[in-house]
Amino acid sequence: AQRVTQPEKLLSVFKGAPVELKCNYSYSGSPELFWYVQYSRQRLQLLLRHISRESIKGFTADLNKGETSFHLKKPFAQEEDSAMYYCALGSGGYNKLIFGAGTRLAVHP
Amino acid sequence: DTAVSQTPKYLVTQMGNDKSIKCEQNLGHDTMYWYKQDSKKFLKIMFSYNNKELIINETVPNRFSPKSPDKAHLNLHINSLELGDSAVYFCASSQDGAARSTDTQYFGPGTRLTVL
Repeated sequence: AQRVTQPEKLLSVFKGAPVELKCNYSYSGSPELFWYVQYSRQRLQLLLRHISRESIKGFTADLNKGETSFHLKKPFAQEEDSAMYYCALGSGGYNKLIFGAGTRLAVHP
Repeated sequence: DTAVSQTPKYLVTQMGNDKSIKCEQNLGHDTMYWYKQDSKKFLKIMFSYNNKELIINETVPNRFSPKSPDKAHLNLHINSLELGDSAVYFCASSQDGAARSTDTQYFGPGTRLTVL
């Protein structure tokens, strides 16, 4: 079955600390993975996708097919990173996205 | 110049009523979606239309009926509302969802539906 698991509902860190938001997926085909973010009072938006292999706002994510993971990392968290983060799996064409349950990141001063 | 807009933003109604949520995108995208976000913030695809044609239809009660009058609009009509329908409903659009699965999806602000 196609599934995305984000084991942490809440991740609380202090400013300047490293951050890793975990995402594991289950998919039999060749996966396409994304991270979407929702800041307070803003709409859900794409943060990054694995095929781009880019760093956005200091965040990176590497697809590890052996561990079926796509963890989101940032070496030094900022207060403005506080938001809800969703890992998503693109499955089987038609742009169908399967979302994880989301992780709320809270960065404290 | 909002990209994806939804109306209304909030909808409070009684059980058994019929209601509609409207969605419009001005991005010129071919594909539009409806998602449901439950109280635990779980976001799940409900429907997707590409150029007015239904292409994704998840296991959703047939009380939910999407309608796409043109490719810029995708409305969601819900009959005989139930308590469990209370959720936030998000509309989204993407450039071309018919063939590729890497298109960025652009989301609306959401409609919070409360069924009493």
